[in-house]
Amino acid sequence: AQKITQTQPGMFVQEKEAVTLDCTYDTSDQSYGLFWYKQPSSGEMIFLIYQGSYDEQNATEGRYSLNFQKARKSANLVISASQLGDSAMYFCAMRIGSSNTGKLIFGQGTTLQVKP
Amino acid sequence: GAVVSQHPSWVICKSGTSVKIECRSLDFQATTMFWYRQFPKQSLMLMATSNEGSKATYEQGVEKDKFLINHASLTLSTLTVTSAHPEDSSFYICSARGGQTFSNQPQHFGDGTRLSIL
Repeated sequence: AQKITQTQPGMFVQEKEAVTLDCTYDTSDQSYGLFWYKQPSSGEMIFLIYQGSYDEQNATEGRYSLNFQKARKSANLVISASQLGDSAMYFCAMRIGSSNTGKLIFGQGTTLQVKP
Repeated sequence: GAVVSQHPSWVICKSGTSVKIECRSLDFQATTMFWYRQFPKQSLMLMATSNEGSKATYEQGVEKDKFLINHASLTLSTLTVTSAHPEDSSFYICSARGGQTFSNQPQHFGDGTRLSIL
């Protein structure tokens, strides 16, 4: 079965410190994509970072990096130098199916609170 | 970047009313649109996938007659919650994807609609 699991309902981090949000996935597909989205309290979904199953390098986007461990089927998000504005809910998602026809399934989400 | 507009952003109505939510892709042609439902502090649950000009594909457990989806053009999809009841109160989010897709291209999300049924 295709599944995304985020085991941390809530996380706290001190401002300016780094934090890792966990994500594991389960799929029998060889080709898949992994995404992280941020959802502030206002509700919009903000795309953060993408990792393809065949990508050998871990993805990075500014302060965001994705620690991709394919054998362990994990795709953890690392946020460096946390800012107060990073407080939000974070979702890991997996695209199942092709990039043209596939759909996203989401993990349960992790609420991150950054302390000043 | 790609923009998806969702309207209304919030709506409050009486039980038994039908409510229509619009999702528009503003600067690209959305061949596929997705509708999600989200309860507070929970995950996004995919309700249905719609392709322009064809019937929507509903996820298991989603009532087709309750949640009517129309994707009549490449820039507009609508979700109608028919005869809404308090249990239909939720946050509904649409997402759109263009025809030319690349593997790293994310779906573009609307800002969501908060629906409250009294």
